[in-house]
Amino acid sequence: IAGITQAPTSQILAAGRRMTLRCTQDMRHNAMYWYRQDLGLGLRLIHYSNTAGTTGKGEVPDGYSVSRANTDDFPLTLASAVPSQTSVYFCASSEGEGTDTQYFGPGTRLTVL
Amino acid sequence: GQNIDQPTEMTATEGAIVQINCTYQTSGFNGLFWYQQHAGEAPTFLSYNVLDGLEEKGRFSSFLSRSKGYSYLLLKELQMKDSASYLCAVSDSNYQLIWGAGTKLIIKP
Repeated sequence: IAGITQAPTSQILAAGRRMTLRCTQDMRHNAMYWYRQDLGLGLRLIHYSNTAGTTGKGEVPDGYSVSRANTDDFPLTLASAVPSQTSVYFCASSEGEGTDTQYFGPGTRLTVL
Repeated sequence: GQNIDQPTEMTATEGAIVQINCTYQTSGFNGLFWYQQHAGEAPTFLSYNVLDGLEEKGRFSSFLSRSKGYSYLLLKELQMKDSASYLCAVSDSNYQLIWGAGTKLIIKP
């Protein structure tokens, strides 16, 4: 079944550790996104990529980095995790940028202690 | 600044109709989306409006007024499975989605 997968499903991480959240899509979508979702707040864009080889910063990029080496994969790295990065992280993709519908992965629940 | 406002929580009865409102103030407007999100799951697409008026899709309809910065999602013949959060999002001048915090809809039998 076509879609987006994320790994891990959940993770508990010690502060200061490095962590990479994985995201893979098999829909050949050009654009991909990373969001975080916190209670009482809307989804907030961390980083995005409009096409393979390019990335951009969203609303809350500090403490996170991304790469887009190919169309399918869009990993998100926390170089040195802090407790404020405790959140649910969603990866999404869309056929193009702009007003195309975004399709979401199942999410990664991350707890930083 | 950019802002999307939705009620935090609404309660409705099975079989009834409910209207979830969304008001927005954004830098530019390139369309408004509604997504549904069940607890512990990913958001899923419901509707997209870019022109004023009502778009109907089965039991769900979405309305947009660009001059008022206002949209609503109308759910008819409510079912228990409609218990979820409903997220309003606006595509701004940079074609990035600005999201509301979501409206948690509780359906009672």
